Amino acid sequence: AQSVTQLGSHVSVSEGALVLLRCNYSSSVPPYLFWYVQYPNQGLQLLLKYTSAATLVKGINGFEAEFKKSETSFHLTKPSAHMSDAAEYFCAVSGLSGGYQKVTFGTGTKLQVIP
Amino acid sequence: ETGVTQSPTHLIKTRGQQVTLRCSSQSGHNTVSWYQQALGQGPQFIFQYYREEENGRGNFPPRFSGLQFPNYSSELNVNALELDDSALYLCASSLRGDSYEQYFGPGTRLTVT
Repeated sequence: AQSVTQLGSHVSVSEGALVLLRCNYSSSVPPYLFWYVQYPNQGLQLLLKYTSAATLVKGINGFEAEFKKSETSFHLTKPSAHMSDAAEYFCAVSGLSGGYQKVTFGTGTKLQVIP
Repeated sequence: ETGVTQSPTHLIKTRGQQVTLRCSSQSGHNTVSWYQQALGQGPQFIFQYYREEENGRGNFPPRFSGLQFPNYSSELNVNALELDDSALYLCASSLRGDSYEQYFGPGTRLTVT
């Protein structure tokens, strides 16, 4: 079975401050890991993905995430928050399950950026 | 390259009615997955289609059914609508074997009254 836990349903940061969104996963097989962003009333947009290559993954809009197997974590960071980063962020794990590639999402973290 | 599109954008139905939601996959993708996203929650997997056959299903009752067509477009059908079916329904297409990176459509907002 696979699962994702996102710590903190709401995170507030000041504009220009470090963004850190936490994600821990559970998977019985080597996972693929993803971070998606969702703006209000829109679908999900892929920020970055980990597919067993480099453990530090760089994505769009200045975001990056580090895969730490020993901690089963895949935290999302950005050095300096912009107002446009305010959105909801979802961590997801993907792995083979019953013959198909199953994707499980976390419950999301809503990021607020304070001017 | 055309992205994933969904129709309609919004829909209001009455409890007990039936609804069909449509999705057009990204060009070249052979797998489509459907998700239900209730307000304030993460997407919940409904089912996945590969080459016109359902090859994975989440914890949803049989009144949720789907189709995938030869051109890889897809439909989600929900019978006997319940109030709890009110949600954003997301379609995602992917290429099997390509790390299963999914490309999402904008969603259909279904309201059941």
